[in-house]
Amino acid sequence: DAKTTQPPSMDCAEGRAANLPCNHSTISGNEYVYWYRQIHSQGPQYIIHGLKNNETNEMASLIITEDRKSSTLILPHATLRDTAVYYCIVIPNRSGGSNYKLTFGKGTLLTVNP
Amino acid sequence: SQTIHQWPATLVQPVGSPLSLECTVEGTSNPNLYWYRQAAGRGLQLLFYSVGIGQISSEVPQNLSASRPQDRQFILSSKKLLLSDSGFYLCAWSVGRGANQPQHFGDGTRLSIL
Repeated sequence: DAKTTQPPSMDCAEGRAANLPCNHSTISGNEYVYWYRQIHSQGPQYIIHGLKNNETNEMASLIITEDRKSSTLILPHATLRDTAVYYCIVIPNRSGGSNYKLTFGKGTLLTVNP
Repeated sequence: SQTIHQWPATLVQPVGSPLSLECTVEGTSNPNLYWYRQAAGRGLQLLFYSVGIGQISSEVPQNLSASRPQDRQFILSSKKLLLSDSGFYLCAWSVGRGANQPQHFGDGTRLSIL
């Protein structure tokens, strides 16, 4: 499975857009890019995922480069409650649709400052 | 909308005592269910997953067991807890098969073994 590389920490001002980068240069064609976040002492929260195209939902936007070797998670208007560790992971879509297991790396600690 | 409940939120147990953690999902039928453990300073480890009633797959040999007595109920058990069983236990659900279906987590149970 492809590995991901994320900066260990980032800061963002409240109300500004937070752009979190992720490198997955060894990603293969059938692997999805997923983003989760985990606020201290809570369970991980699913944010968004994509395969090739850019995706947007009520929480965030996911921009995947054309070569799929990197992606950026965008929180358009960060709030203090968005302070969390953000995990970018790559998950293969195995033949037969078997279940997959999530494994988080160290992620990026995003701190939103007032 | 779908919701997932885990209880208790925190638990302190002596070594050698039994364990029973419960997870229930509402608002969906025939979900895939997962038990993960997140140890302090370590990543996420899949312990068990289930694609249906009575169907349990174990990822890691250990002194824990899982059961799924009802469609939306998943139970994690142990007959005798070890110190190494301390950690943050997370239940998750998904629907369908394959990597295009996100997993959604509960708020977790923080287990401390004394």
